[in-house]
Amino acid sequence: DAKTTQPNSMESNEEEPVHLPCNHSTISGTDYIHWYRQLPSQGPEYVIHGLTSNVNNRMASLAIAEDRKSSTLILHRATLRDAAVYYCIPTGGTSYGKLTFGQGTILTVHP
Amino acid sequence: NAGVMQNPRHLVRRRGQEARLRCSPMKGHSHVYWYRQLPEEGLKFMVYLQKENIIDESGMPKERFSAEFPKEGPSILRIQQVVRGDSAAYFCASSPPGGLIHNEQFFGPGTRLTVL
Repeated sequence: DAKTTQPNSMESNEEEPVHLPCNHSTISGTDYIHWYRQLPSQGPEYVIHGLTSNVNNRMASLAIAEDRKSSTLILHRATLRDAAVYYCIPTGGTSYGKLTFGQGTILTVHP
Repeated sequence: NAGVMQNPRHLVRRRGQEARLRCSPMKGHSHVYWYRQLPEEGLKFMVYLQKENIIDESGMPKERFSAEFPKEGPSILRIQQVVRGDSAAYFCASSPPGGLIHNEQFFGPGTRLTVL
């Protein structure tokens, strides 16, 4: 499984954009990059995933570096409900069917 | 479409008893995964099942733990002779058939097991 490095914690103010970085320098060429988040006392929730191109959905945007060794999850306007632990997870290869969660980034959103 | 359902949400057992955790995947989903989150630790994969088959059990402890996903009914994670170290939140996730690396996994609310 590819190793990931994320900041332990980040803070943001409500209504401001948040950029959550992730380094995955050992990612293989066929691994997708998935992002999940876990709100307090809840199960994880899928956020977004991509392979090479930047991706957008109703929750967030995913910017993937050209060399694919890093990616950034972008929340365009943080809300209090976005306070969660965010996990960046490369998937594919022998990890089919399995998500390997790292420590993630604890995002605090201030009103 | 109801989400992934897990029951019970909270389970208290005494040391040596058995714990049975149930997971009903989303309708149409044929893949089930179990993860464990120990207190103050991250989520760890335990087992991946398809109907009547265990596909990957590399994260399952070697003893006392077993999982099944029968043709009919929910998936069951069974822990025999529980010990205090089994106290954790157990999450089930499901995904539809198809390309695994594309499909998001949908997680249930978890079962919080407390061993006294």
